[in-house]
Amino acid sequence: AQTVTQSQPEMSVQEAETVTLSCTYDTSESDYYLFWYKQPPSRQMILVIRQEAYKQQNATENRFSVNFQKAAKSFSLKISDSQLGDAAMYFCAYRAYSGGGADGLTFGKGTHLIIQP
Amino acid sequence: DTAVSQTPKYLVTQMGNDKSIKCEQNLGHDTMYWYKQDSKKFLKIMFSYNNKELIINETVPNRFSPKSPDKAHLNLHINSLELGDSAVYFCASSQDRRARGPAATNEKLFFGSGTQLSVL
Repeated sequence: AQTVTQSQPEMSVQEAETVTLSCTYDTSESDYYLFWYKQPPSRQMILVIRQEAYKQQNATENRFSVNFQKAAKSFSLKISDSQLGDAAMYFCAYRAYSGGGADGLTFGKGTHLIIQP
Repeated sequence: DTAVSQTPKYLVTQMGNDKSIKCEQNLGHDTMYWYKQDSKKFLKIMFSYNNKELIINETVPNRFSPKSPDKAHLNLHINSLELGDSAVYFCASSQDRRARGPAATNEKLFFGSGTQLSVL
């Protein structure tokens, strides 16, 4: 079974600074997807960024980028120029490529990100 | 238009009652899911349905029964509610066929806004 581990229950960063959230995972699959979801106090689950495991190039979405290390099974999220609106719970998630497709996502336990003004 | 909508957003009820949460998606997806988020924010899959067929049924009490009348709907019925059932329940959907590339969205799950269930 796949597992996703987020070792930082809470992180704090000053506004405009850069912060990195850690995520490691365990799988025997060779092809899979990794995601970071954001959950603000509104409770909505918002997809921040996704990475396909077969791609070596790290995904980027504006101020958000990942450091994907396949051999180390590591998938960290870097948020540059942190803004107050980035304050939320961040979840790392895994999805295998194989299978019928109804396997859904396996989530980590989340990191609560606090932005200090 | 809301892609994945679930109702109600809040549900407060007494122990022992039976309640349902409804979910509908207008994305044309053929796979739908129910996730439970506990008080510590941990998200765990409960069920998944593909083309109205149950695919995943994690270790969930049989008081929880999903019902999928068609591909666009996956409702969750809970019998004899217990205090420990208090949580946020999320519905989600995705397309089950994979596709590659930056434009592909098949592997993404789209979530509803959640139903906060409080059992008193």
